[in-house]
Amino acid sequence: GDSVTQMEGPVTLSEEAFLTINCTYTATGYPSLFWYVQYPGEGLQLLLKATKADDKGSNKGFEATYRKETTSFHLEKGSVQVSDSAVYFCAQTGNQFYFGTGTSLTVIP
Amino acid sequence: ETGVTQSPTHLIKTRGQQVTLRCSSQSGHNTVSWYQQALGQGPQFIFQYYREEENGRGNFPPRFSGLQFPNYSSELNVNALELDDSALYLCASSPPSGRRVSEAFFGQGTRLTVV
Repeated sequence: GDSVTQMEGPVTLSEEAFLTINCTYTATGYPSLFWYVQYPGEGLQLLLKATKADDKGSNKGFEATYRKETTSFHLEKGSVQVSDSAVYFCAQTGNQFYFGTGTSLTVIP
Repeated sequence: ETGVTQSPTHLIKTRGQQVTLRCSSQSGHNTVSWYQQALGQGPQFIFQYYREEENGRGNFPPRFSGLQFPNYSSELNVNALELDDSALYLCASSPPSGRRVSEAFFGQGTRLTVV
């Protein structure tokens, strides 16, 4: 069935470091792919999305490319900030949203 | 354009009680989904409503039930609460795209604690 596998955390980085959070998916069709971010005590905020193969989603310096050949949608950012500290969820659509287990990111000054 | 709003934000209930959580969908959205997020976990799909009918259900027992109203707002009802029902309950609304969800906008969630 449809599922999302996400890199386990927690991840701790120094400010201005490069970030990669790996995400792979299993789908019977051609899903749209998403990254959501959750700050402490809050709901999920859409960070970026891609709807078809080779699309690149981007927002606030974050990027992810829909790779059909490797069934992946890895999240990257070139230079993280303290304010990026949050939990990141990879997700795909089918008849519902399938979420990964989340990756906690802490950025230290 | 208003976003997705949920009420209440926090709730404490006793085991065995019943609870109703409410969600107002984003303007123009006709699909509402509910998710349970246990501490440290990703959201798990409970069910989805499309045009007032249940359209998909996750692996949750029948004591989890819902409604969608003509204005597309929704309720999640949980009967016979158990300690393991303690979680953040998230509502998401989606724009019209047939029965297949294309994107979702989430509310802030209701934090339910069962004691």
